[in-house]
Amino acid sequence: EVQLVESGGGLVQPGGSLRLSCAVSGFNFSSSWMHWVRQPPGKGLVWVSRISSDGTSTSYADSVKGRFTISRDNAKNTVFLQMNSLRDGDTAVYYCGRYSSGYHAVDFWGQGTPVTVSS
Amino acid sequence: DIVMTQSPDSLVVSLGERATINCKSSQSVLTSSNNKTYLTWYQQKPRQPPKLLIYWASTRESGVPDRFSASGSGTDFTLTINSLQAEDVAVYYCQQYYTTPHTFGQGTKLEIK
Repeated sequence: EVQLVESGGGLVQPGGSLRLSCAVSGFNFSSSWMHWVRQPPGKGLVWVSRISSDGTSTSYADSVKGRFTISRDNAKNTVFLQMNSLRDGDTAVYYCGRYSSGYHAVDFWGQGTPVTVSS
Repeated sequence: DIVMTQSPDSLVVSLGERATINCKSSQSVLTSSNNKTYLTWYQQKPRQPPKLLIYWASTRESGVPDRFSASGSGTDFTLTINSLQAEDVAVYYCQQYYTTPHTFGQGTKLEIK
């Protein structure tokens, strides 16, 4: 069974940092590209970042470029999102997702972890 | 960036009727290398993550009821839900995987009349 479990969310002050983790099981993680999206309270989905299967290729939304870093540890079946210089606008539920190279789409998402940036 | 625009923003449909949601991309999301259209539809119910419904613009994901269908090419796409059921109440999103950033439409909220 495919499982993705996000963790690391919480309350942080503006300017602070958080590191989100997404631990996966039930599929070949080291062969899978991974994505993060976020959803501000009461709003729609916003794509944040993605990483290639070997970690050598990354991409970011302009709104997080230079502040967020995506990475992965294939030995631990985990993908990370390091979030620095957090702003009020980063408040959202963050979801990680497995990209299917067969479907050319994310076919499975985790349950999400909430991040609140507030003083 | 490719802008994805959905219409309408919200939709109220009676049980058993048809719901139609449109999605327009600001440029083509057809990949010439394999002739695939990288347009995906998701369903999101309250307090749940998105669920994949449709990929390649019109291919239904395994396990998705056949009352869900989708069509379109180039820049104009449609998701159709026939014989609307109560469990179809959700927000529906289109997303393009043609290029980064992989932009979403703003979402269409579907409610039952």
